Formats: sequence, C-alpha cells, structure tokens
Amino acid sequence: EPEVTQTPSHQVTQMGQEVILRCVPISNHLYFYWYRQILGQKVEFLVSFYNNEISEKSEIFDDQFSVERPDGSNFTLKIRSTKLEDSAMYFCASSEGGASGIYNEQFFGPGTRLTVL
Amino acid sequence: SQQGEEDPQALSIQEGENATMNCSYKTSINNLQWYRQNSGRGLVHLILIRSNEREKHSGRLRVTLDTSKKSSSLLITASRAADTASYFCATDAWGYTGANSKLTFGKGITLSVRP
Repeated sequence: EPEVTQTPSHQVTQMGQEVILRCVPISNHLYFYWYRQILGQKVEFLVSFYNNEISEKSEIFDDQFSVERPDGSNFTLKIRSTKLEDSAMYFCASSEGGASGIYNEQFFGPGTRLTVL
Repeated sequence: SQQGEEDPQALSIQEGENATMNCSYKTSINNLQWYRQNSGRGLVHLILIRSNEREKHSGRLRVTLDTSKKSSSLLITASRAADTASYFCATDAWGYTGANSKLTFGKGITLSVRP
C-alpha cells in the first residue's frame, strides 16, 4: 500500500542552524502539507502546497520557513534559523485532490522529530 | 473553544468492550476524519466521513456525523489491547483557493484497552 515517507526520523540541531526535513508524498497525490505537533499538544497546520505554490499557510509559517518541491517526488520543509520552540514532531501529509473536497483524505508520514538545543 | 474538540479526554476500557469517542466542532465542514496515533508515532488515517453522510463503517469502526449538532462519534467495537492509542478528529473546510483545505485537529482522546 502506498505511503508517505519522511526523512530523517529524528534530527538534532543547534539553535540558529538551518534544517531541511524531507518527505516523499504518495505518487499520484497532488496536494501536500506540513503539520507539526509540539510534545503533548495538538497537531497544527503549517502549510499546504499545490501546483508548485503555497495554497495556504498558518501564522506559524513565518519567514523562517519555506517549502519546496525540488523534483517530481520530494517535498521539503526548510527552517532557516531554528529556535528552541521549533522543537516538535513535523508531519508531512498528502492528498489526492479533487472537487468539493471529496478527495481530501490526508495521509500522514511517520514524522520527523526535531530537537533544537 | 476550538474546532475539533474530542471527549472524553481519556477512556479506559476492558478488552472486548466497545469504545465510543465523541468530537464536536464549530464551523461548517466538508469532511471529518479520524486518526489514530500510537505514542510518539505518526498519524494513521482511520476513516473519512463527508458532510452529506450520516454514518460510515470500516471493519470494527463505525463513525457517525450529525451536522445539525456539529458532532461526530467514533465507535470501536470489540476493542483489543492493540487499539490502545490516542484518537483525533480532524475537520476541514473548503479553502479560499478552492483547493483542498487544511485539517484542524482536536486535542485527542487517550484510549487504554486493558487486556
């Protein structure tokens, strides 16, 4: 069964460093998302991406964050200068897409646990 | 209060019993989805119910949706120890771009199934 994959599973970095989190969405999906979950808290939406551009972003997704689909398979989240409060589990998700939200089943990857020291 | 509030916050049952979890939301939705998360792990998609559907089944799962009350319930029948996890409901609304919309998650319900 196709699944979303993410690498690395765990990333430890120093405050101020840049990190890139990688995702491979399900191959026939057209919509891609990043969410994060701070330990013990709710899963929060960061950004959605379609047709090579950002569709929607949250207040969390400030200038320190960027997303890219560098090729036909990968979808990346970059944090330019990490802060302590960026420590969280980051989930990538993808959905097939379609009219009226019918195909908005979002399938999540296993997550990357980011620890900022 | 927030979109996608589940209750109870924690539920402990004996293996073989049924588990019922509820979710309420505030704004109009297109779909409501339920996810499972084992401790520290990823989110596993369980089921999606559309706003024009009232009930949906998948294996031991039964989901209902009452849009007039803005609520949904997830029933797990004949629970197993392996069902121990956190369960989240997530709602979406038609995005301003017309594209698929973000999901808004509740805080989750911690289900413990005792062997």
